[in-house]
This record gives sequence, structure tokens and C-alpha cells, in this order.
Amino acid sequence: GAVVSQHPSWVICKSGTSVKIECRSLDFQATTMFWYRQFPKQSLMLMATSNEGSKATYEQGVEKDKFLINHASLTLSTLTVTSAHPEDSSFYICSAKERERLSWTQYFGPGTRLLVL
Amino acid sequence: QKEVEQNSGPLSVPEGAIASLNCTYSDRGSQSFFWYRQYSGKSPELIMFIYSNGDKEDGRFTAQLNKASQYVSLLIRDSQPSDSATYLCAVKTERNNRLAFGKGNQVVVIP
Repeated sequence: GAVVSQHPSWVICKSGTSVKIECRSLDFQATTMFWYRQFPKQSLMLMATSNEGSKATYEQGVEKDKFLINHASLTLSTLTVTSAHPEDSSFYICSAKERERLSWTQYFGPGTRLLVL
Repeated sequence: QKEVEQNSGPLSVPEGAIASLNCTYSDRGSQSFFWYRQYSGKSPELIMFIYSNGDKEDGRFTAQLNKASQYVSLLIRDSQPSDSATYLCAVKTERNNRLAFGKGNQVVVIP
């Protein structure tokens, strides 16, 4: 149980295009999903917290108009990187907190590697 | 002061030895503590969680929590080369509605 998937697993795009990344909880309902970014050999950086049915909460320094988050259902959250630039190239990882549990265990998706040319 | 600190540099241990990782946290009201393992190029995977003071054992892993001293540790017994990874400490703080992660400790198990 507690499986989180991400799609796509990797994407290469041209500068200026938009990229959508999907995060799904496959066998549980997730009221809260989190989006992280990780540059090579660096630690996880929380970008935003996504709650089902409400607006995402962005961390300081993360542009909400550039990183659009939608959490339309209890099993799906999407991150859209708009007008991507080479500096947006990174490893994007989502995680989900199970709705039915009071604990704060987070399960991570496998991540999406984005390369912007 | 950082919410979660993992200050040790890379840890090299011979195969079969015990690897010991430490983590301190600043929010005294924290109640939930987690250890994640992250292989190079992969996303983190949960290996242990602990809520109560004391030790919690799961296979070759033991998590130790001391709330009075605000630290949590992870022991890996009989270390195997497959244990070579970065280990992330995470704490559910009372101040924020999320987990706070340490920057991680790299473990290298030498055959």
C-alpha cells in the first residue's frame, strides 16, 4: 500500500514551453500533497503544499505564477512549470499524506527529471 | 537555528559494521519523526518512523528518540553495500503543517 506515482518520469523540453507533471496516490486518498525540487547533490527543497479543493501554499521564494499547482481530487495533484527555462532543470518529486491516518507519514513518488534546453 | 540538523559528513563503514546517524531538531513540541533513505538519482523512501521516546527496531534498523535532548538517531546493523545511500531525517514540527527535512547524511558501506 501507500504507492505514489508520477508522470512523466523524465521530460526534455525547449526553453519557453510549459511542462505538466502529474502526481497520483494509487491506493489511498491524499488530502495533502507536497511538491519538492532537488538539484544535484543538494537537499530536498519544499516548493508548495497542495490541499485538495483549495489553493496551494507556496514556500517563500517560489513563484506561484510560474509553478502552477492544481489538486482537483483526492488522488491527483499536478504541477505545471510555465515558460520553463534552463535554470528550472531539476528533479521534481511529489509526496502525499494519507487522508485516513492521523500521522504525518509522507510517501514519495519516484520523481520527474526535467531538462530544459 | 535550522528546524532539523544533520551535521555529520559522509560516513564510511565496513560491511557488517554498525552505521550510526544522528539528527537534532529545534521545535520541542515535535511529535513525529521519520527516517528516509534516498539512493542516488532516486526519490526518498520511508524506512522508519518513531513517535515515542526510546528505541524502535525494524529488521537491521533501529530508531532512537530522545525528546528531552531533542535528537533522533538511526542505527543500521550489519551494514550491507546496498545500504549505501543518503539518509534523511524528517520531523513533523508543531509550527508548520508539513515535515521538515534535514539535509541528509551520506552512508558508504565498503565491501
